[in-house]
Amino acid sequence: EVQLVESGGGLVQPGGSLRISCVASGFTFSSYWCHWVRQAPGKGLVWVASIKFDGSETNIADSVKGRFTISRDNAKNTVYLQMNSLRVEDTAVYYCARDLRPDCLWGQGTLVTVSS
Amino acid sequence: QSALTQPASVSASPGQSITISCAGTNSDVGAYNFVSWHQQHPDKAPKLIIYDVTNRPSGVSNRFSASKSGNTASLTISGLQSEDEADYYCSSYTTRKTWVFGGGTKVTVL
Repeated sequence: EVQLVESGGGLVQPGGSLRISCVASGFTFSSYWCHWVRQAPGKGLVWVASIKFDGSETNIADSVKGRFTISRDNAKNTVYLQMNSLRVEDTAVYYCARDLRPDCLWGQGTLVTVSS
Repeated sequence: QSALTQPASVSASPGQSITISCAGTNSDVGAYNFVSWHQQHPDKAPKLIIYDVTNRPSGVSNRFSASKSGNTASLTISGLQSEDEADYYCSSYTTRKTWVFGGGTKVTVL
């Protein structure tokens, strides 16, 4: 089955760190750009980061630049989002997405809650 | 990067047509033909319904159509059905090599 499955979300204190993962299956993972998109409770979708199919290029939203890092391991069909210096406003469901154009596929999301 | 501008809500009766606008700038919507539309039902993951301004992925109803003029893209849903009740988001690639989403539009079928 073609799918993306996120994991690693949870409760973390402000200032803390968390790494979330997204495992792909059913397609050639190494051929696609991947993205992280987040959605705060009751709010809209916000693009966070993207990584090229071979990992040679990454792009990060200004709102998380310097705190979040995107990476991938094509041997494990996995893309990661390392989140440091977390803030209350980073609380959201984090979705992994394959491409955002013709071959777009969304995962089911993982909830990250930043609270003391 | 500011979000693209969409109306907060749109409503219509079954069988009618609605159009959702997505206003950007010449650094995003107006710069490339890389505008997509995503449908999201409550507590579900988004789903792509339009890519590259006008194209429908396989399996998406032809009641969904879209276009772009200058810095504004539009999504039209014709023959509105109850299952179309959802949130709709536009997205666009930008000249800074980032992506930006619209604020979302809640579609209500009366």
